[in-house]
Amino acid sequence: DTAVSQTPKYLVTQMGNDKSIKCEQNLGHDTMYWYKQDSKKFLKIMFSYNNKELIINETVPNRFSPKSPDKAHLNLHINSLELGDSAVYFCASSQLVEEDTQYFGPGTRLTVL
Amino acid sequence: RKEVEQDPGPFNVPEGATVAFNCTYSNSASQSFFWYRQDCRKEPKLLMSVYSSGNEDGRFTAQLNRASQYISLLIRDSKLSDSATYLCVVTPPMGAGNMLTFGGGTRLMVKP
Repeated sequence: DTAVSQTPKYLVTQMGNDKSIKCEQNLGHDTMYWYKQDSKKFLKIMFSYNNKELIINETVPNRFSPKSPDKAHLNLHINSLELGDSAVYFCASSQLVEEDTQYFGPGTRLTVL
Repeated sequence: RKEVEQDPGPFNVPEGATVAFNCTYSNSASQSFFWYRQDCRKEPKLLMSVYSSGNEDGRFTAQLNRASQYISLLIRDSKLSDSATYLCVVTPPMGAGNMLTFGGGTRLMVKP
């Protein structure tokens, strides 16, 4: 009965590959997010997705593309992986777009070799 | 200047001690404020919201000073289980969405 789940938990891949990380929430929330936590432990928002509206953080390279088949899922696809993409990626969800508690998934540790 | 700044620590304290963390934020129009806790290799979890009037939850007290743009967290009677990284979090002004901005975190280590 995990609230926000992510797969895979660990992902090791070569530079240049394309990979996807999946996220699912069973909380009935309308809004989902992707965050990146780098080696210095800074957590930064990448995307926010509320129903059909995607809010893109302008600092995110366009190699990163979120895809939401329905409001319970927000997957992250990454093209042409680079060494600097190595990080922990956290998915999160909240009921409301504004001022609402966000619940985080367990994270996906991505290592690009 | 970073949007949310925290002393990274680590703060090494003995069990039973009182410890306080501060955090400053740059956007005076920030709407909401939170403290999250992150254990090693785990996801962040909400510890408490921070209100202008101050709020307390057991051994934890949070304060917000909008004029000075800083937030504090006080932990009384520290337990070993309080060892973690504490993340100061702010949200943008109303209407700008709910994308949390995290500080770099303050690491707390409570020793026996």
